[in-house]
Amino acid sequence: RKEVEQDPGPFNVPEGATVAFNCTYSNSASQSFFWYRQDCRKEPKLLMSVYSSGNEDGRFTAQLNRASQYISLLIRDSKLSDSATYLCVVNPPSGGYQKVTFGTGTKLQVIP
Amino acid sequence: DTEVTQTPKHLVMGMTNKKSLKCEQHMGHRAMYWYKQKAKKPPELMFVYSYEKLSINESVPSRFSPECPNSSLLNLHLHALQPEDSALYLCASSPGQGGATNEKLFFGSGTQLSVL
Repeated sequence: RKEVEQDPGPFNVPEGATVAFNCTYSNSASQSFFWYRQDCRKEPKLLMSVYSSGNEDGRFTAQLNRASQYISLLIRDSKLSDSATYLCVVNPPSGGYQKVTFGTGTKLQVIP
Repeated sequence: DTEVTQTPKHLVMGMTNKKSLKCEQHMGHRAMYWYKQKAKKPPELMFVYSYEKLSINESVPSRFSPECPNSSLLNLHLHALQPEDSALYLCASSPGQGGATNEKLFFGSGTQLSVL
């Protein structure tokens, strides 16, 4: 089993739709989790951290399920500008912060 | 200032050339990273500097040579590269608080490298 797994997609959704991505991780001791967004030929940019209690930032909601070892990202009211690849990032247990693990990314295409 | 600045943005080099990629951050971060990214793949860790010392080398070929002149600067020296080394090279930094579990990576815009 890969350390961090994502469905590569692409997810093709119409504008205004709600879409959700999951990311599973194998190390149950992993401590912190993030979602990054990467546009084509650009650098990854931090979208949001994922907290145990779940967190929301505008149209974006991130959740963590430690029991099943996955994180999720929900995007409501999709915009054309949301089209990008979404990478989940898992930090190892304390002390190993330098070797974060990237998921393979999920590609989202929002269609007019 | 939350930027990581990388130069050049694009680089084309022959297999016998020597070139360098440069990265700079002024956020006071103590950890700096080089990643390599091929198309449709996630970033792949190459090197990590922590407090200006090389702490991780992910078995990178010696034709890639990192250097950290000071806490704000990170270089990647390239020599005798192969065509398969063509990729997007990303520099990143993080606070580097040692043991912290919520380190966030800040990426530069990358250098798109083509080796002919």
